[in-house]
Amino acid sequence: EIVLTQSPGTLSLSPGERATLSCRASQSVSISDVAWYQQKPGQAPRLLFYGASSRATGIPDRFSGSGSGTDFTLTISRLEPEDFAVYYCQLYGDSPLFTFGPGTKVDIK
Amino acid sequence: QVLLVQSGAEVREPGASVKVSCKTSGYSFTNYGLSWVRQAPGQGLEWVGWISTYNDKTDYAQKFQDRITLTTVRSTTTAYMELKDLRSDDTAVYYCARVPTLFGVVIIPNRFDQWGQGTLVTVSS
Repeated sequence: EIVLTQSPGTLSLSPGERATLSCRASQSVSISDVAWYQQKPGQAPRLLFYGASSRATGIPDRFSGSGSGTDFTLTISRLEPEDFAVYYCQLYGDSPLFTFGPGTKVDIK
Repeated sequence: QVLLVQSGAEVREPGASVKVSCKTSGYSFTNYGLSWVRQAPGQGLEWVGWISTYNDKTDYAQKFQDRITLTTVRSTTTAYMELKDLRSDDTAVYYCARVPTLFGVVIIPNRFDQWGQGTLVTVSS
């Protein structure tokens, strides 16, 4: 079973700053198997990226996804007030079929 | 407009069962599988299971294997999750989420591209 680790657990930043979120897999995975989601309090998650770097419909270009092998990164170039949320990476695999990372909370400093 | 509309909040006693529905509209039902994901209070996302709307093939997270049943009714484009023998730690918001497929197989790159609004299931005596 592949385990996903996200770091940091919490990222405290100010609006306008750059956010860099990490997702690490316990073994090498295909970039096609990695997706990222944003979740705000009281809301369902929202797809941000699939295939590690393909931006979902309506996602602003201040968000970018990258990575390969075991290390994947979600970057927010300049934080807007609406970007403070929890971010999850997700993996498609064999067993289990889908896995979520524990999440990174981006909160206002 | 793509919509996944889930049934309302449920309260059950330990040992009981619950069945949550996910009514879909605005797209071709059999071109997308449905995953179920839960979130305990203050916790992260946990994948529960998946069903192909094309051929009803299912895949469940191991911890739920003996307690969960996922089904669909194509005529009403609705998916259902039934969880039995409920325990207090099953208290969570349960989400359905759409997964693009082709002939029942997850399309690569995978994604959960639309989500239901969530259903709170509370297990308490």
